[in-house]
Amino acid sequence: ILNVEQSPQSLHVQEGDSTNFTCSFPSSNFYALHWYRWETAKSPKALFVMTLNGDEKKKGRISATLNTKEGYSYLYIKGSQPEDSATYLCAGYSDNNAGNMLTFGGGTRLMVKP
Amino acid sequence: EAGVAQSPRYKIIEKRQSVAFWCNPISGHATLYWYQQILGQGPKLLIQFQNNGVVDDSQLPKDRFSAERLKGVDSTLKIQPAKLEDSAVYLCASSLFGDYYTEAFFGQGTRLTVV
Repeated sequence: ILNVEQSPQSLHVQEGDSTNFTCSFPSSNFYALHWYRWETAKSPKALFVMTLNGDEKKKGRISATLNTKEGYSYLYIKGSQPEDSATYLCAGYSDNNAGNMLTFGGGTRLMVKP
Repeated sequence: EAGVAQSPRYKIIEKRQSVAFWCNPISGHATLYWYQQILGQGPKLLIQFQNNGVVDDSQLPKDRFSAERLKGVDSTLKIQPAKLEDSAVYLCASSLFGDYYTEAFFGQGTRLTVV
């Protein structure tokens, strides 16, 4: 099972601020890195699935980068809005003898103040 | 497209009682996951099924937790007997193939409180 870590645990920002979070994982035995957004009282929803070193993905004001050699991924939010308030989870894919496993980090809880 | 369905949404039980959760994944999804999310922590994988076979259950406390996936579709997760530390949100997720590039789709979870 991969050891996936996220920082910071929580973050308070003002509306309009840009922010970023970090996800770190062992660079060996790496297959893919997923980012999910989990809003209160809803189900987690996938933001990005990233596999290649140097990958950059973007969806609106949210983007992510991946460095598989050093074992980290950054998630960026440009011009944060109150509706961005959520817990952001990253998950790494590792392989055991039976198949692939998706292992989550502890999450970063983002609160955006109007 | 219908999402992952879970029931119940909330459950309060006393310690030492039994409880069962049900999950109906997205139609055609081969892989089904059960995660336990304790407040302040990330989701922890309890068990992963590929069709009706178990891929991994290394973090499932087998003395009290059990899970099955009938005919490779619906799944139930049971806790017997429950302990206070089992209070958590239990998330079910499914994915089409379970491959590394395939996103997982989650249900809304069951919030269990053990008193």
